[in-house]
Amino acid sequence: EIVLTQSPGTLSLSPGERATLSCRASQSVSSSHLAWYQQKPGQAPRLLIYGASNRATGIPDRFSGSGSGADFTLTISRLEPEDFSVYYCHQYGSSLLTFGGGTKVEIK
Amino acid sequence: EVQLVESGGDLVQPGRSLRLSCAASGFTFDDYAMHWVRQAPGKGLEWVSGINWNSNSIAYADSVKGRFTVSRDNAKNSLYLQMNSLRAEDTALYYCAKGAVEIVATTLKDWGQGTLVTVSS
Repeated sequence: EIVLTQSPGTLSLSPGERATLSCRASQSVSSSHLAWYQQKPGQAPRLLIYGASNRATGIPDRFSGSGSGADFTLTISRLEPEDFSVYYCHQYGSSLLTFGGGTKVEIK
Repeated sequence: EVQLVESGGDLVQPGRSLRLSCAASGFTFDDYAMHWVRQAPGKGLEWVSGINWNSNSIAYADSVKGRFTVSRDNAKNSLYLQMNSLRAEDTALYYCAKGAVEIVATTLKDWGQGTLVTVSS
C-alpha cells in the first residue's frame, strides 16, 4: 500500500495569496497517477487535478498540479474566497487506492 | 448528468451486518469501475473497495478485507457493499464513486452524497 503524506496540515493565508500544498508518497506513484480533490463542509469531494497536472472539467486555471515519482504539489495561484477548503491527494497507480490525510486551507 | 444515490445506511450494533446500495444514472454504468470511499466524522477520506466494469477485478483496503464484499449488477445500474462483522471504527459516511475508466486503478470522477453508517451498542 502506498502511503501519502500531505503537508502542511493547515495553511493560513489571505485571499489573493498563493497556496502551495505538498503530497509525498512512500514509494513512486505509477505513471503519475496522482489526483487532487477539494472538499467543502457537508459536500462530497470534487476532482480538481488528475494525472498529476491535468485539470478536471470546469476547474479554474488558478489551480495547477505538478510533480512526479513520489513528490507532488498542488498550487492555487491566487486564493479566491471559495477556495478555503480541505484538499486531499489521491493515488490510483495500483488497484489499492489511497488518500492523503488532507490539508486545510483557512482564512488568515 | 451523472447521478449516484447511496442508500442503506443505519445505526447498527457491533458484530452485525449491513448492505449499502448505490443507484447510478446518467451514464453507461457497465463502462466504468465503481468504488466505495468512507469518511469518519471529522476525519479524512479512506478508500474502501473498488470493482471493475465486469466484476472480474476487485480490491479492498486492508481495514475491511475479509469483512466487506463489493458487488455490482450492471442490469440494474447498481453497486453494493455488504458489510459484515461491523466495528465501531466502521462508523462513517460511505460514498459511492464512479471511476474515470473501466479498470479499478482509476481516479474517482463523480461522487454521490453519501449514506451514514453508525456502529454502536
